[in-house]
Amino acid sequence: RKEVEQDPGPFNVPEGATVAFNCTYSNSASQSFFWYRQDCRKEPKLLMSVYSSGNEDGRFTAQLNRASQYISLLIRDSKLSDSATYLCVVNSRNTPLVFGKGTRLSVIA
Amino acid sequence: EAQVTQNPRYLITVTGKKLTVTCSQNMNHEYMSWYRQDPGLGLRQIYYSMNVEVTDKGDVPEGYKVSRKEKRNFPLILESPSPNQTSLYFCASSWGSSYNEQFFGPGTRLTVL
Repeated sequence: RKEVEQDPGPFNVPEGATVAFNCTYSNSASQSFFWYRQDCRKEPKLLMSVYSSGNEDGRFTAQLNRASQYISLLIRDSKLSDSATYLCVVNSRNTPLVFGKGTRLSVIA
Repeated sequence: EAQVTQNPRYLITVTGKKLTVTCSQNMNHEYMSWYRQDPGLGLRQIYYSMNVEVTDKGDVPEGYKVSRKEKRNFPLILESPSPNQTSLYFCASSWGSSYNEQFFGPGTRLTVL
């Protein structure tokens, strides 16, 4: 089983839609979790950290399910500017950061 | 402006010709790392450094060297580049450790012929 797995997509959704991505991880000792956003040929940038209690930032909501070892990202009211690749990132003590391969989102007018 | 810079941004070279990609950050971050990104494989960590004079291997260190003589700089050295090192390289830094937000440089696109 790969360490961090994401559906590669692409997810093609109309403006205003709600879209959700999941990411599963294999290391039960993982301690911190993130979603990064990467635009084409650009550097990744932190979108949000993921906390055990779940957290929200405007139209974005992140959830963590430790029992099932997955994290999710929900985007409400999608905008054209949300089109990007979303990377799930998992960190465990004394191991390198592990990035998922990313889920590509295209928001269509 | 807080940033991570990398040079060069684009490089085409030939097999066996030693090269160095520089990385510098102005945020006084302790943690720095190098990644390569390849289609279908995602971002993979090459080396990381927890602080000055402390470096460690990531997932794909073969064929690469790093050094951390100063806190702000973390150069990536390819002693004898090969075509399988053709990739997009990112340097990143963060406060404290990898548990915190990683700030990435703009990337270096390397082609080894």
